[in-house]
Formats: sequence, structure tokens, C-alpha cells
Amino acid sequence: DAKTTQPPSMDCAEGRAANLPCNHSTISGNEYVYWYRQIHSQGPQYIIHGLKNNETNEMASLIITEDRKSSTLILPHATLRDTAVYYCIELNSGNTPLVFGKGTRLSVIA
Amino acid sequence: GAGVSQTPSNKVTEKGKYVELRCDPISGHTALYWYRQSLGQGPEFLIYFQGTGAADDSGLPNDRFFAVRPEGSVSTLKIQRTERGDSAVYLCASSLYVGEGYEQYFGPGTRLTVT
Repeated sequence: DAKTTQPPSMDCAEGRAANLPCNHSTISGNEYVYWYRQIHSQGPQYIIHGLKNNETNEMASLIITEDRKSSTLILPHATLRDTAVYYCIELNSGNTPLVFGKGTRLSVIA
Repeated sequence: GAGVSQTPSNKVTEKGKYVELRCDPISGHTALYWYRQSLGQGPEFLIYFQGTGAADDSGLPNDRFFAVRPEGSVSTLKIQRTERGDSAVYLCASSLYVGEGYEQYFGPGTRLTVT
């Protein structure tokens, strides 16, 4: 079973920042936080991951709290193409199967 | 470049029949994973290969499910005596290596419908 908790759905206005929260209160010291998203009728797509420092790439930013019990994925300027289900996953560096929960369904609205 | 491809994209079969689902990973990727996704749920892990060998098959639901990767590239997921509950999207993913920093790249999936 997934060990992370995410809201089932969120809306965001096009052009605004989308902030997707995730709780992972039982995360252990060697587990990373990974984010994937799944656009309708496609396979999941990797977005970003981190251990304890904040991370940024061309797709998104990941903010991890100091106690590592929660994180926020930020899409700085959401577009309609960002409408998808977003999954937050804990992953041990040596343990590769991804354990998906139900994720957050993000709807970007024009 | 070419991503992960899966064939067929859709498969309809009758209950009790045998099916094979194929996955072509990204060239050079050593790890290959199978997941299945039921409607409204996140993908569920089935099995993964490191090279030719199954490194973890703990997600296979029962002995009707079997997967092979004989040459360390293409993989086939085989389902015997299909049941209506096997209906789902079967996803394949590959990664260059196993471990942190090597993200999994997913194919578009095969939608299996058992009637």
C-alpha cells in the first residue's frame, strides 16, 4: 500500500502556480520523495525527486519540509497540458518498484 | 529518441484464453518493470527484471501470470486462463539502471479486456 497521502483533486487557474501537497509522515532516512504524473490515456511520466533539499528542474520545483514529513510540488505557471493525476511516492534508493497511491487529480482551468 | 513501446495497444479476449503482452524498452536500459492499472487506481507493481532475470516478482497476483525477458531487452507478460478481473491497463517501464536517479520511463500501456 502507498505510504503517502494526497488530496484526491485540486483545481488551478491557467497561468497560476499549482501547489500539490503530499504527506509522508513515516518516511525513513534513506527514502526519497518522487513525483510522477499521468496524463489521460498515457503512462506515468517522471517529474522530479528529492531527499531533503529543495529541488528544481525544467518542469517543477519540489519543496521538502525540514522534518521530511511532507512536501509540495510546484508547477510555477500551470497550463492546460498540466491537467493530469499527480503521484507522490516514497522510494528507497535500493528498492525500485514504484508504489502508487491514488494521487491528486489536478485540473487546470482556462 | 524512441521511447518504451507496447503491443498490442488494445486486446480483447474471452474468459479462459491465453494472452501475451509485449514490451520493447528503451535501448540500453537494463531494468524493465511491469505494472497494471485498474480504472480509477494508481498503477500496481507486478514484476521487474534486472537484465534477463526477474529480480522481484512479488507483485504477480497468482501463478496464471508469468513474464520473461530472455535476451535482456524485450519482455513478454503472459496470462493464462484469463479472468474478467484481469481486465486492466498493463504498463511497462524501463530504466537505465536500478536505483536513485534512474527514473522509470513508461510506455503507453496495453488495455486488456476479458469478456
